[in-house]
Amino acid sequence: NAGVTQTPKFQVLKTGQSMTLQCAQDMNHNSMYWYRQDPGMGLRLIYYSASEGTTDKGEVPNGYNVSRLNKREFSLRLESAAPSQTSVYFCASSEAAGAPNTDTQYFGPGTRLTVL
Amino acid sequence: QKEVEQNSGPLSVPEGAIASLNCTYSDRVSQSFFWYRQYSGKSPELIMSIYSNGDKEDGRFTAQLNKASQYVSLLIRDSQPSDSATYLCAVKNAGNMLTFGGGTRLMVKP
Repeated sequence: NAGVTQTPKFQVLKTGQSMTLQCAQDMNHNSMYWYRQDPGMGLRLIYYSASEGTTDKGEVPNGYNVSRLNKREFSLRLESAAPSQTSVYFCASSEAAGAPNTDTQYFGPGTRLTVL
Repeated sequence: QKEVEQNSGPLSVPEGAIASLNCTYSDRVSQSFFWYRQYSGKSPELIMSIYSNGDKEDGRFTAQLNKASQYVSLLIRDSQPSDSATYLCAVKNAGNMLTFGGGTRLMVKP
């Protein structure tokens, strides 16, 4: 049981390049999330998927797109990377989004992205 | 004003002491509250969740929730150097999204 996995672990991009961050969970969770973490800013929600087939914007969605490929996988795409997107990206999942005791989020190991 | 506020620290306590970490939040309808521990360069790891007013204990950790005062805290008894980390408070809002505080850095000195 690997929990939440993310690839790649590290990535360096040039401004304007595109890339997709991959996330998968094997806990049969319904809800999945993408966060970014910047020094002094804490974790901020980019997008989330409450259930397979749905996605919604979080606090900082601009410059990103997501795809809930199936129940296990949730990807984050940067179409044209900018230096402001240099950050650590975490994927998380929970059994469900709404109900107490099922809304605990479990995090993947993170992707450290640098945009030059 | 941030929705979830934490003192950034560092909070320094001697080994064996009680560490007290505090968090205030602004959304009165919040129902779910979480404490995560994050070691440097690692991902957040859940320590406790709490949903009802009062105390919830798990080993050396006690979470305390006071919804009237919009205050949630985490006590760590018998603090160990391995407890040195950043502790993140997270609150679920009415839209079912978690809002995180900026974290409190805890240093436990041997």
